[in-house]
Amino acid sequence: AQSVTQLDSHVSVSEGTPVLLRCNYSSSYSPSLFWYVQHPNKGLQLLLKYTSAATLVKGINGFEAEFKKSETSFHLTKPSAHMSDAAEYFCVVTINSGGYQKVTFGTGTKLQVIP
Amino acid sequence: GEEVAQTPKHLVRGEGQKAKLYCAPIKGHSYVFWYQQVLKNEFKFLISFQNENVFDETGMPKERFSAKCLPNSPCSLEIQATKLEDSAVYFCASSQPDRGPTTDTQYFGPGTRLTVL
Repeated sequence: AQSVTQLDSHVSVSEGTPVLLRCNYSSSYSPSLFWYVQHPNKGLQLLLKYTSAATLVKGINGFEAEFKKSETSFHLTKPSAHMSDAAEYFCVVTINSGGYQKVTFGTGTKLQVIP
Repeated sequence: GEEVAQTPKHLVRGEGQKAKLYCAPIKGHSYVFWYQQVLKNEFKFLISFQNENVFDETGMPKERFSAKCLPNSPCSLEIQATKLEDSAVYFCASSQPDRGPTTDTQYFGPGTRLTVL
C-alpha cells in the first residue's frame, strides 16, 4: 500500500521569498517520487522526479526537492518565488512491482505569490 | 507523437447522454492511465492499460464507465448515461516504465473538460 500527504492545501509567499511545499509519503516498496505543477485550466507539467539516484533532485524553473528516507519526505523548494510560480502543485508516488505500475496523487497545494 | 493528445478539448452532454473521450499516447509508450479531476482538484485514478490489456481498473465505476485501448487506435473512455457528478476534467497519461525496478515518468495530456447539464 502507498499514500501521499501534502501537508498544506494553500501556501502564500511574497515574490522573491523562498517556497516550501511539503510532501510525505508511505510505501511498501521503493518508490519513485514526482512533483507536477498545474497552472489554471492547464494540464500537468513535470517539475522533477526522484528515482533512487541522487537524493537532491533539481527540476525546471529553479525548483528542487530532497528525498529523505528517514523522514519519508520529499519537500519541494525554491529559493525565490516568482509570480509565474502561482499554481497548484501535486506530489506523486509511483511503484513498479513486477511490471505493475501503481500511481498515487497527493491532494495538491495551491501556491499563491503576493507581489 | 511526442505528446499525449486528448480529444475533444471540451464536451457538453445532457444528463443521461453518452460521452466518449479519446487519448493518443506518446508513440512507444505501453502504459496508459485515465484520471478524473473534479472541482476540488483531487486526481482520482480510474483505469490503466498495458498496451491493449486492462492493468488496473480499481478506480472505475463499472456500471457506467468503460475504457479500451485497441491496437492502432486511440484509447477511449466512455461514459454511458452521464450524471451531473461526472462533470470533471479527464486526463490521460502515458508512460514507458524502465526495464529495471523503478517506474518512469507519466506524461499527461491537456485533458478533456466534460460538462454534464
